Amino acid sequence: DGGITQSPKYLFRKEGQNVTLSCEQNLNHDAMYWYRQDPGQGLRLIYYSQIVNDFQKGDIAEGYSVSREKKESFPLTVTSAQKNPTAFYLCASSTPRGQVNSPLHFGNGTRLTVT
Amino acid sequence: KQEVTQIPAALSVPEGENLVLNCSFTDSAIYNLQWFRQDPGKGLTSLLLIQSSQREQTSGRLNASLDKSSGRSTLYIAASQPGDSATYLCVAFGNEKLTFGTGTRLTIIP
Repeated sequence: DGGITQSPKYLFRKEGQNVTLSCEQNLNHDAMYWYRQDPGQGLRLIYYSQIVNDFQKGDIAEGYSVSREKKESFPLTVTSAQKNPTAFYLCASSTPRGQVNSPLHFGNGTRLTVT
Repeated sequence: KQEVTQIPAALSVPEGENLVLNCSFTDSAIYNLQWFRQDPGKGLTSLLLIQSSQREQTSGRLNASLDKSSGRSTLYIAASQPGDSATYLCVAFGNEKLTFGTGTRLTIIP
């Protein structure tokens, strides 16, 4: 079955350490996204990529970095510069923006806890 | 700037009732609108996608409508069941970005 896989499901880190969250999709989608979700709040866009080797900052990119070396992979690194990294992180993918009938697909998320 | 609002933030309904969830958007220049459900601690599961040229989509007990002129989409759930309890989110697809609503937390009371 096609889908998006995020790993791990739960991640614990000490403050000051960088951590990388994995996102892999086998849907052959060009566009991939990273969102952050905090309790009682909506989804906020961190980074997105419309094509391999290209990515753009979202609304809250500070303290995060990404790479898009392969179409199916879009890893997110939470750096020590991110002031409040504890959150639920969601990865999504779709066909390129602007195409009708191009639903957004989500992974099951990674819950990151930094102490 | 697109703003997407979902009111109410929370809704409790007895099992078996039909119900409507609302999604309002300020910019009608959208090409898709998608509804999701999210269970606690889980990712988002797609329910229905409506293209801008369509007025509604149906899947089982779910029916989603779209009225771009009034900036409104509704998700109708027929014969509600306890398993429908979840948070429901809508997302408006604009040419510049995707904009999510903050969701409606639905509780079906057995």
